[in-house]
Amino acid sequence: DAKTTQPTSMDCAEGRAANLPCNHSTISGNEYVYWYRQIHSQGPQYIIHGLKNNETNEMASLIITEDRKSSTLILPHATLRDTAVYYCIVRSRPGTASKLTFGTGTRLQVTL
Amino acid sequence: EPEVTQTPSHQVTQMGQEVILRCVPISNHLYFYWYRQILGQKVEFLVSFYNNEISEKSEIFDDQFSVERPDGSNFTLKIRSTKLEDSAMYFCASRSGQASYEQYFGPGTRLTVT
Repeated sequence: DAKTTQPTSMDCAEGRAANLPCNHSTISGNEYVYWYRQIHSQGPQYIIHGLKNNETNEMASLIITEDRKSSTLILPHATLRDTAVYYCIVRSRPGTASKLTFGTGTRLQVTL
Repeated sequence: EPEVTQTPSHQVTQMGQEVILRCVPISNHLYFYWYRQILGQKVEFLVSFYNNEISEKSEIFDDQFSVERPDGSNFTLKIRSTKLEDSAMYFCASRSGQASYEQYFGPGTRLTVT
């Protein structure tokens, strides 16, 4: 699985968009970008995934650069409940095992 | 919405004792996982389980660990002889099928070994 680099921490004002970057310059053609988050020692929660096109769901948007070497997770209107550690994970399409390898992630603090 | 459940939420045990952590994955899911997170550290993969057998395990998952799906609903992690360094949050996760991208995690069991 390709290595990812994320900022250690970020702050965001409530109601504003939170843009969380991730670098994955060694990503290969068949690898996907996944985002999970972990709210205060709870179990990680899936947010979104993508291969090369931008993706949007009810939680967030994922913007992947054309060269696929980096991506940005966007929470369009951050709330206090979005305070969490956000993990960017690059791995191949799911198969029989499909373990997730978590890094240290970005700690997002949403403030009033 | 269906969810993964884990029991107990907190387990305290003495070093050398056996513990069994229990998980009820989402019904009809086929792939099951255990992860652990030592306080302040990363979430680490332990083992994946499919079709009643281990499909992958990490170096952490040594002979002291075992997993079982005894009755088609529960998924258990057993640690035979606990060590102080086994103290951690243990998360169970499940996935619906081979093409599914999303793993659903339970709330975790905090294991404290004294």
